[in-house]
Amino acid sequence: EIVLTQSPGTLSLSPGEGATLSCRASQSVSSSHVAWYQQKPGQAPRLLIYGASSRATGIPDRFSGSGSGTDFTLTISRLEPEDFAVYYCQQYGRSPFTFGGGTKVEIK
Amino acid sequence: EVQLVESGGGLVQPGRSLRLSCAASGFKFDDYAMYWVRQGPGKGLEWVSGITWNSGSAGYADSVKGRFTISRDNAKNSLYLQMNSLRAEDTALYYCARAPLLGVSYYYAMAVWGQGTTVTVSS
Repeated sequence: EIVLTQSPGTLSLSPGEGATLSCRASQSVSSSHVAWYQQKPGQAPRLLIYGASSRATGIPDRFSGSGSGTDFTLTISRLEPEDFAVYYCQQYGRSPFTFGGGTKVEIK
Repeated sequence: EVQLVESGGGLVQPGRSLRLSCAASGFKFDDYAMYWVRQGPGKGLEWVSGITWNSGSAGYADSVKGRFTISRDNAKNSLYLQMNSLRAEDTALYYCARAPLLGVSYYYAMAVWGQGTTVTVSS
């Protein structure tokens, strides 16, 4: 199976700052079948990005995704208070699908 | 309103079985691939299984292959997960999820999520 490694594990930032989250795959992910999810405590995950760079419905444009092959990035241009959460990448290009271990974005 | 509601979770002894259900509403259920994703206590997300719109194809995580079976009843707008030979490591919150768009495969992201049902495996 494809192993996804997310870094850093925790990102401590202030509102208004930018965030860059990394996701590295152990093998190339076909057709950039990579998604990013946001999860807040006590809530179900929310899809942010699919196809590596396409924003899901209703997702603000401060969220953007990029990358191909084995290296993918989620960028949040300016952190809003509601953006502090855990973020997961996922590959769905090869079964079994797999998630990364998550990056927690916390308030500094 | 698009909605997924899971049920069937509970406390079960190791080695026993449990069947989870997911009731879908607010969309044409038989147009979409569906999934189960779980999250252990204090842990990250783990994809469990996915199934195509017509049950023609399904996939499983290595950790559950041979023990869990995903199925759906399009006439009842329902998704199921039959879990056999349960282990302590299967303890988790189990989410039902839906693909973001119509399609013939299950190779999609998960765009709509339920709130989950908790499974605890313990003697």
